[in-house]
Amino acid sequence: NAGVMQNPRHLVRRRGQEARLRCSPMKGHSHVYWYRQLPEEGLKFMVYLQKENIIDESGMPKERFSAEFPKEGPSILRIQQVVRGDSAAYFCASSENRDSWVNSPLHFGNGTRLTVT
Amino acid sequence: LAKTTQPISMDSYEGQEVNITCSHNNIATNDYITWYQQFPSQGPRFIIQGYKTKVTNEVASLFIPADRKSSTLSLPRVSLSDTAVYYCLVYSGNTGFQKLVFGTGTRLLVSP
Repeated sequence: NAGVMQNPRHLVRRRGQEARLRCSPMKGHSHVYWYRQLPEEGLKFMVYLQKENIIDESGMPKERFSAEFPKEGPSILRIQQVVRGDSAAYFCASSENRDSWVNSPLHFGNGTRLTVT
Repeated sequence: LAKTTQPISMDSYEGQEVNITCSHNNIATNDYITWYQQFPSQGPRFIIQGYKTKVTNEVASLFIPADRKSSTLSLPRVSLSDTAVYYCLVYSGNTGFQKLVFGTGTRLLVSP
């Protein structure tokens, strides 16, 4: 059973370009979470999605950032017009449905490291 | 969600038992305690979770006193490969992992 898959692992973008980060949750998982981690810091919650729905985007900047989790395909975190401050590791996690939270931990991918030059 | 506080760093030697204590004074009745491990350049990995008393699995034990205001992760006989950052987290049984708050964790260094 494959884990949470994120790609690309490393992404370099120039200032002003767009970055697209993809996340395929574990099989059977319908909840996806995106986190950002700066060096030497803990992970910061960005957005929580279920299939075709954004449940909570309170941790995501209102401008330039967007996320989706379509009915088919991976979840996408999109950053438009990137700036140097967007350089970070972006982690995606997935979980099963609501009734299984206690018995099913959150599973993380190995992240996408975005570097903005 | 309850805020957690844990030591910034700990040092140990191979073969020793390591205990990392986390305080979560404002834990709610339906909150659960979970611990994750993170290696450099990797995503956090689930270690163990519990609600009260003691939980043990193949890699660690988790001790939670009756008042649940703290918890202790116990790693028996650590090896060099246990060098990592360990996060103590509290999540709600009602809302799940929504807005899970990661602090800076405890950086464990295991030496030969």
